[in-house]
Amino acid sequence: KAGVTQTPRYLIKTRGQQVTLSCSPISGHRSVSWYQQTPGQGLQFLFEYFSETQRNKGNFPGRFSGRQFSNSRSEMNVSTLELGDSALYLCASGRTGQQETQYFGPGTRLLVL
Amino acid sequence: AQSVAQPEDQVNVAEGNPLTVKCTYSVSGNPYLFWYVQYPNRGLQFLLKYITGDNLVKGSYGFEAEFNKSQTSFHLKKPSALVSDSALYFCAVRDGPGRRALTFGSGTRLQVQP
Repeated sequence: KAGVTQTPRYLIKTRGQQVTLSCSPISGHRSVSWYQQTPGQGLQFLFEYFSETQRNKGNFPGRFSGRQFSNSRSEMNVSTLELGDSALYLCASGRTGQQETQYFGPGTRLLVL
Repeated sequence: AQSVAQPEDQVNVAEGNPLTVKCTYSVSGNPYLFWYVQYPNRGLQFLLKYITGDNLVKGSYGFEAEFNKSQTSFHLKKPSALVSDSALYFCAVRDGPGRRALTFGSGTRLQVQP
């Protein structure tokens, strides 16, 4: 079974631009979560989607948004990029249920210049 | 709020020796605990989890973890370390009842010397 896939793997943008990252979950998984990983802040939860609805949101500004499609694929968007948005963005998918494991994709590394 | 602490930034161990990576947690209810490993330029790989039941959990690649409720700890262990185990290890806790978000520790870098 294929794992979580994320595209693109690497991205370079300039301040003020916007970016869209894509995540395809493992087949049969309906929950998708996004995390930001930086050397300074570590791994931080961005948001979670299930059945095309945002279920939870982390402590990030409104510039960070996302959505989930009917096939469970998800996108996240960051508008008006700042230098501090440079990070590895990780997507994770899982089945329903709080006890279920989240499986992570390889991440998208975003560099904002 | 849930939290996880990994008190060691780095752990060094010789190949063939046992290893322990420490993790303590704080949750308001029953803890759902996870260990992940990250290799350079890669995402997180799931190692094992504790949901309920036996306090000793066995996972992938020979790793195991011991859940200790009284000490609120969930230390990762392996009887015999390999050089290929060198990586960044994260402990995580499920973020509250009804939520699937994970709260991660700061990570521990494991260096296994040949």
